[in-house]
Formats: sequence, structure tokens, C-alpha cells
Amino acid sequence: DIQMTQSPSSVSASVGDRVTITCRASQAISTWLAWYQQKPGKAPKVLIYAASSLQSGVPSRFSGSGSGTDFTLTISSLQPEDFATYYCQQANSFPLTFGGGTKVEIK
Amino acid sequence: QVQLVESGGGVVQPGRSLRLSCAASGFTFSSYGLHWVRQAPGRGLEWLAFISYDGTNKYYADSVKGRFTISRDNSKNTLYLQMNSLRTEDTAVYYCAKDTSSGSSGHFDYWGQGTLVTVSS
Repeated sequence: DIQMTQSPSSVSASVGDRVTITCRASQAISTWLAWYQQKPGKAPKVLIYAASSLQSGVPSRFSGSGSGTDFTLTISSLQPEDFATYYCQQANSFPLTFGGGTKVEIK
Repeated sequence: QVQLVESGGGVVQPGRSLRLSCAASGFTFSSYGLHWVRQAPGRGLEWLAFISYDGTNKYYADSVKGRFTISRDNSKNTLYLQMNSLRTEDTAVYYCAKDTSSGSSGHFDYWGQGTLVTVSS
């Protein structure tokens, strides 16, 4: 199985900050990677798929990059509604696997 | 608009069975693969199972293989998860999620609101 490792597990940031979350796969997955945002008590919402493609309706302050084993989600200017937990997920092969999550908290 | 509505959750004793349903609307149900994903209280997301658009291809996580069965009824626009031999560690919110392709692109563009399953004596 492909293991997904996210870092950091949590980050404290202020509105307007640039936030970067990294995700590493235990083996190469090309660009078969998605990023999700989850708020408390809600279902996850896809932000990025194919490593860098922005899902329709998602603000352009979210961006993704990377290929192979190393990936990054960047929020260019953190907004109040962005405080949430973010998960990466490999879509390369079954079983599909998620990273452990990164909680973005208010500083 | 796309809607996925899970039902069937509740409290069940260890070793018993439960069947979850996911009623879909707002898209051509028979054209898309579907998944089940769960989240234990305070924990991360765990993918459980996938079924292709026509039900011919199915995949499972090792943690549920042999105990859980995914199925679908395209005439009723409904996805199912039959859960047998439940364990306390199966306690979680269970989500159904729509794939972006008929097979599996491997990622999910729509999710249900989730249904809570609690396994406890």
C-alpha cells in the first residue's frame, strides 16, 4: 500500500499569511494526487486534483504542485473561511490512501 | 445539483451486521464509480471500498475485506455497504463519495453528509 505522509500536522497562521502544506508518497504516484478541505462536522471538499488542477468553484488562492513523491498545497493569502483540516490523497492505485491531515488554526 | 444522502447508521453490537444506503440524485448515477470512506471520531479519513459504474469492478481496503460488501442498484440510484462482523474499531462516520469517472479516477468530487455507525455493547 502507498503511505501518504503530511507535514506539518498542524499550523498556526494569521489571515493574509501564505501557508504551505506538504505531502510525501511512499512510492512514485506521478500526479495522481488530490487535496481536500474539511471543516468540523462537515464532509470533505475537493480543492485540487491531478496534483495541480483546481476544482471548479475553488478560489484561486489555492494551488497545488508536485509529481512523483513530493507534493505541495499552497494557500497564497489565508482567509477566515480557510481555517480547516486539509488532507492529501493518492489516486494512483487501490487501496486509495489519505495523509494524516494538517489542521490550519488561527494564530 | 448533485446530492448524496446516506442512511442506515446507528448503534449496533459487536459481531452484528448493518447495511448503509446512499441515495443519489442530480447526476447520471449509472455512469459513475462510487466509493465509501469513513472517519473515526477525531481521526483522519480512511477509504473503504469502490464500485465501478456497472458494478463489475470492486475494490476494498484490507481492514474491511471479507466483512464489508459494496453494491449498487442503478435502477434505484442507490449505493449500499453491507457491513458484517462489526468491530468496535468500525465506529465512524461513513461517507459515500462520487468518483469523477465511470471507472475510477481515484478522487471524489461530491460527498454525502455522512452517517454515524457506533459499534458498542
